Amino acid sequence: DIQMTQSPSTLSASVGDRVTITCRASQSISSWLAWYQQKPGKAPTVLIYKASTLESGVPSRFSGSRSGTEFTLTISSLQPDDFATYYCQQYESYPYTFGQGTKLEIK
Amino acid sequence: EVQLEESGGGLEQPGRSLRLSCTASGFIFGDYAMSWVRQAPGKGLEWVAFIRSKPKGGTTDYAASVKGRFIISRDDSNGIAYLQMNSLKTEDTAVYYCTRENDLYYFDYWGQGTLVTVSS
Repeated sequence: DIQMTQSPSTLSASVGDRVTITCRASQSISSWLAWYQQKPGKAPTVLIYKASTLESGVPSRFSGSRSGTEFTLTISSLQPDDFATYYCQQYESYPYTFGQGTKLEIK
Repeated sequence: EVQLEESGGGLEQPGRSLRLSCTASGFIFGDYAMSWVRQAPGKGLEWVAFIRSKPKGGTTDYAASVKGRFIISRDDSNGIAYLQMNSLKTEDTAVYYCTRENDLYYFDYWGQGTLVTVSS
């Protein structure tokens, strides 16, 4: 199975900050990676797919990139609505696997 | 508008069975693969089971943690995906989400989830 290692597990930041979350795959997954946002008590929603393509309706402050097997999610200027938990997920092959999650907290 | 609505969760004893349903609307259900993803209390996301669309073979796949105990199926005429959960274990306690896998292979829509609690 492909392991996804996500870091950090918790991130404290302020409104207006630029933040980056990293996900590393245990083997090549090409660009078959998605990022999801989850708020407490709610289902996840997709932000980015194919490593760097923004899902329709997602604000442009979110961006994704890939370097080999390392992937990053960047939020350019944090807004109050962005404080949530973020997960990466590989969909190169089943079993699809998720990172452990990053909880983005208000500093 | 695409909607996925799970039902069938609840409290069940270890060793017993439970069947979850996912009722879809707003799209041609038979054209899409569907998956179940679960989240144990306070934990991360775990993919559980997958079923392809019938035009693509209708094949299924399972996480190792549930293989041999859970069965995913679909009723395309009524737009419902099922997850039959047998020989339940306490570690199956989680919110179970139904998800749609789109043509680009990622999960673009999720239901609101249904809580399954396995406890004696």
